[in-house]
Amino acid sequence: GAGVSQTPSNKVTEKGKYVELRCDPISGHTALYWYRQSLGQGPEFLIYFQGTGAADDSGLPNDRFFAVRPEGSVSTLKIQRTERGDSAVYLCASSSYRGDGANVLTFGAGSRLTVL
Amino acid sequence: AQKVTQAQTEISVVEKEDVTLDCVYETRDTTYYLFWYKQPPSGELVFLIRRNSFDEQNEISGRYSWNFQKSTSSFNFTITASQVVDSAVYFCALSEVNTDKLIFGTGTRLQVFP
Repeated sequence: GAGVSQTPSNKVTEKGKYVELRCDPISGHTALYWYRQSLGQGPEFLIYFQGTGAADDSGLPNDRFFAVRPEGSVSTLKIQRTERGDSAVYLCASSSYRGDGANVLTFGAGSRLTVL
Repeated sequence: AQKVTQAQTEISVVEKEDVTLDCVYETRDTTYYLFWYKQPPSGELVFLIRRNSFDEQNEISGRYSWNFQKSTSSFNFTITASQVVDSAVYFCALSEVNTDKLIFGTGTRLQVFP
């Protein structure tokens, strides 16, 4: 597609439920990133994929968070046993991989998660 | 460790005023990249500029200009003759050459009033 697409744009769930957030990157972009943005804060890195594999998952806060990218394109961020503190906007970005830290990321509009 | 500080939480100006957004960074690497992104009310972060640590030339793009000073670890962003459409949150970010993740500052909310 023309841009990075994220679904759903809004998700309201109850504490303890399981949530999946989907990201469809720009066609041909091999690198895909997930960030989390809390109110009034900058985006916080969660995980980065190069192709199908997670190249860096150091930002995942705990084992309730997991992400996959099985075919090297679409990615799903999965959150188990959601907690109120998980409420945030989850941003996905993609880029053409350079491997030198100079990647220009194209971001999606985000999925706003609210845990009641 | 990497860190980006944007000390200005919010700035309000009247249209046509010039405004400078400050960014100070910390890194132990000698090779790194600095970025500015704009986040309008729609929420989608938009790339504005990327600079590498070896290029300290200031850059101008229309009403936008950037001042990179390695000596003070700063990468400031100036909007000349601001317009209402410039109203957004602006983020400064840093990446090191051996990583592929951006470290963002907390952002500066710019409000331009007519």
